[in-house]
Amino acid sequence: DSGVTQTPKHLITATGQRVTLRCSPRSGDLSVYWYQQSLDQGLQFLIQYYNGEERAKGNILERFSAQQFPDLHSELNLSSLELGDSALYFCASSKTSGTLDTQYFGPGTRLTVL
Amino acid sequence: AQKVTQAQTEISVVEKEDVTLDCVYETRDTTYYLFWYKQPPSGELVFLIRRNSFDEQNEISGRYSWNFQKSTSSFNFTITASQVVDSAVYFCALSIGTSYGKLTFGQGTILTVHP
Repeated sequence: DSGVTQTPKHLITATGQRVTLRCSPRSGDLSVYWYQQSLDQGLQFLIQYYNGEERAKGNILERFSAQQFPDLHSELNLSSLELGDSALYFCASSKTSGTLDTQYFGPGTRLTVL
Repeated sequence: AQKVTQAQTEISVVEKEDVTLDCVYETRDTTYYLFWYKQPPSGELVFLIRRNSFDEQNEISGRYSWNFQKSTSSFNFTITASQVVDSAVYFCALSIGTSYGKLTFGQGTILTVHP
């Protein structure tokens, strides 16, 4: 158990819908990262927050957005869902925002878009 | 841009065999970190090791060992006397000094250990 929690574990929804994935980092960690794992793209970095501020952005679609709240939990919002958004979404956390830290991953949220 | 290549898509071995998973990376940065993560069938990503670009010492942890060679841009992972519980997908990842910790992952190697 990494100490990172993600809810829900599974999510099934329809095209065009909007969903919110939630992540709580390990105690004491200030950075949260979101990654998407799909069969065709592999593991891709989406976005990073550090202490409430957006710090780095990857190939995140405009339909996707995220935020980190004062209690440091983070939410990833996915809207206008398409079949291709079906994937495993991971949250990871680390103590600081830099390269020096190891990222510990949550168990993931499996999103299925029908 | 940085890149990580795991050329072995799938490896199948019998229990107690040794197995080496290859990882080749590309980056122009002189400061970077390399990682290995394990993804068992249950799906979570488990951290195994981190190595920085200035430390080429090999590392051994139980049945696991890692060989980092900057000259060939490789960071290979060996499992000695493999066990069925080692069956998983293994990912090599790279984080560069200016990337705020963003991880670039390889495509992963599926390791199956047969009893």
